[in-house]
Amino acid sequence: AQSVTQPDIHITVSEGASLELRCNYSYGATPYLFWYVQSPGQGLQLLLKYFSGDTLVQGIKGFEAEFKRSQSSFNLRKPSVHWSDAAEYFCAVGPNNAGNMLTFGGGTRLMVKP
Amino acid sequence: NAGVTQTPKFRILKIGQSMTLQCTQDMNHNYMYWYRQDPGMGLKLIYYSVGAGITDKGEVPNGYNVSRSTTEDFPLRLELAAPSQTSVYFCASRQGAAVGYTFGSGTRLTVV
Repeated sequence: AQSVTQPDIHITVSEGASLELRCNYSYGATPYLFWYVQSPGQGLQLLLKYFSGDTLVQGIKGFEAEFKRSQSSFNLRKPSVHWSDAAEYFCAVGPNNAGNMLTFGGGTRLMVKP
Repeated sequence: NAGVTQTPKFRILKIGQSMTLQCTQDMNHNYMYWYRQDPGMGLKLIYYSVGAGITDKGEVPNGYNVSRSTTEDFPLRLELAAPSQTSVYFCASRQGAAVGYTFGSGTRLTVV
């Protein structure tokens, strides 16, 4: 069965600092991978996705993620964090099966210090 | 486009009561999903549908039922509400595997 692990439950960074959120997945074939962001009281918004091709993918709001098959990882990065990036971030994996459903990690809550 | 619309946004139920969480999408997506979100647990799949008239169980279906009579609507029914069903419920839809979900804004349910 597929699974997703986000090892960091909480991360605090200073505004302007760089950010890396970790995501490790377990899946037998090449997965489809996603990062979502959830602001307080809101639904989830898609940041970026990977399903083939270039392993470094660019997303919205200045985020990027790199797929590393050898490490089963899909870490999310941002060079300079803004206060508005404070939110919860979810990594998800989804195979191309009949139901096309996604499996989500437990989430990482990002706090940004001024 | 409204996207995915969930109602109500908040609800308090007493133990043993029942209710229906509504979900409607206007994007003509075939695939629809219900997830529940509990703190630190991510999102768990309750039920999903691959098209009108077709539904199937996800990871945590006990205590819930769904129906999909139209492409647009995918209501989630709670029978005999229990405190363990206190959660935030999200409905989502997608058209294919290579695109992400479109999520509704969620329903926060408290069972007391």
